[in-house]
Amino acid sequence: EAGVAQSPRYKIIEKRQSVAFWCNPISGHATLYWYQQILGQGPKLLIQFQNNGVVDDSQLPKDRFSAERLKGVDSTLKIQPAKLEDSAVYLCASSSGTGGVQYFGPGTRLTVT
Amino acid sequence: GQSLEQPSEVTAVEGAIVQINCTYQTSGFYGLSWYQQHDGGAPTFLSYNALDGLEETGRFSSFLSRSDSYGYLLLQELQMKDSASYFCAVRDTRGTASKLTFGTGTRLQVTL
Repeated sequence: EAGVAQSPRYKIIEKRQSVAFWCNPISGHATLYWYQQILGQGPKLLIQFQNNGVVDDSQLPKDRFSAERLKGVDSTLKIQPAKLEDSAVYLCASSSGTGGVQYFGPGTRLTVT
Repeated sequence: GQSLEQPSEVTAVEGAIVQINCTYQTSGFYGLSWYQQHDGGAPTFLSYNALDGLEETGRFSSFLSRSDSYGYLLLQELQMKDSASYFCAVRDTRGTASKLTFGTGTRLQVTL
């Protein structure tokens, strides 16, 4: 079974530029999550989708971050414009909804200069 | 809100046993998960407790006391490859709409 795929793995941009990340969850997983992980901290949930609907986006900075999950499969997370404090690893995870088990992708390491 | 506390660092010798504690204060609680993350890697699921007591999976065990808002991860027969960060995470509700809130992580260093 293929795991969660993410691209790109690394991205370096200047502040005020825009960037987009892509995630393909495990086949059949209805729930998809985007997390931000700053160095030395735990993952922080940005947005949660159930199929193509948003379940929770309470911690998403909506003035600069947006996410969509068209057709309930792949998802993209966009930052526009980026700030220095957005430098982090962006993790995508998916779940079939059973228990506290989520499967994470390898992440995208974003550096904003 | 959700608040989870874990020790920031733990060091142990290869072959020993180590316990990583997690205390939580949450507005909703349905279960406690543990994840392992190697440097540069993705978090991977280790264990989940929804009920009080001990869950054992090979060398790893996890314990939960809901009345004390406390859990721990026990790693036995430590190996060098166990050097990683370990996160506890609270699941707030049941069902597919539930979400995890992660602690700040415990960095485990296994030495010879």
